Amino acid sequence: TQLLEQSPQFLSIQEGENLTVYCNSSSVFSSLQWYRQEPGEGPVLLVTVVTGGEVKKLKRLTFQFGDARKDSSLHITAAQPGDTGLYLCAGVDNYGQNFVFGPGTRLSVLP
Amino acid sequence: DVKVTQSSRYLVKRTGEKVFLECVQDMDHENMFWYRQDPGLGLRLIYFSYDVKMKEKGDIPEGYSVSREKKERFSLILESASTNQTSMYLCASSFGGPGGTQYFGPGTRLLVL
Repeated sequence: TQLLEQSPQFLSIQEGENLTVYCNSSSVFSSLQWYRQEPGEGPVLLVTVVTGGEVKKLKRLTFQFGDARKDSSLHITAAQPGDTGLYLCAGVDNYGQNFVFGPGTRLSVLP
Repeated sequence: DVKVTQSSRYLVKRTGEKVFLECVQDMDHENMFWYRQDPGLGLRLIYFSYDVKMKEKGDIPEGYSVSREKKERFSLILESASTNQTSMYLCASSFGGPGGTQYFGPGTRLLVL
């Protein structure tokens, strides 16, 4: 079973700070997705990365897929309280068969 | 917009009761999934379905069954609820292969007493 690990597990920061959260595995993934889950709601897809080294930006959020396609990072610039939530990474294995979620990073941005 | 709805947001049941959780999607997606979400464990796949009347076990199917009689509806059944099934249950749908975007419902928080 391929596993995705996420770090940190919890993060609490002040509004305006920058942060990076990580998604790591010992296995190669054909693609990785990042979801955000707000309290009381289901996860919502933010981005999909498919190419090693790929960088995607979504306003203040920057996503990177590692060159070896085993890891990914999410960087948030000037965090806002609206960024508060659980950030989940999810990936498809290199055979395109199995889809797995990481345990998530719970982010709290304080005003 | 894709809409996935779940029959209840909150549910309280007694040990031994039969519990039905229903999920409906309105985007004609072939794939539907049931997950449970517990703190520190992330989302764990219980069952999924790639077509009507088709079901596949996920990582933690024990104690659960599913039914998919219509394309838009996927039901999760707890035959005899136990306290260790207290959890958040999330339904999702998608189209295409395993890497397709999953659209989630708002979740059902189930408490088994």
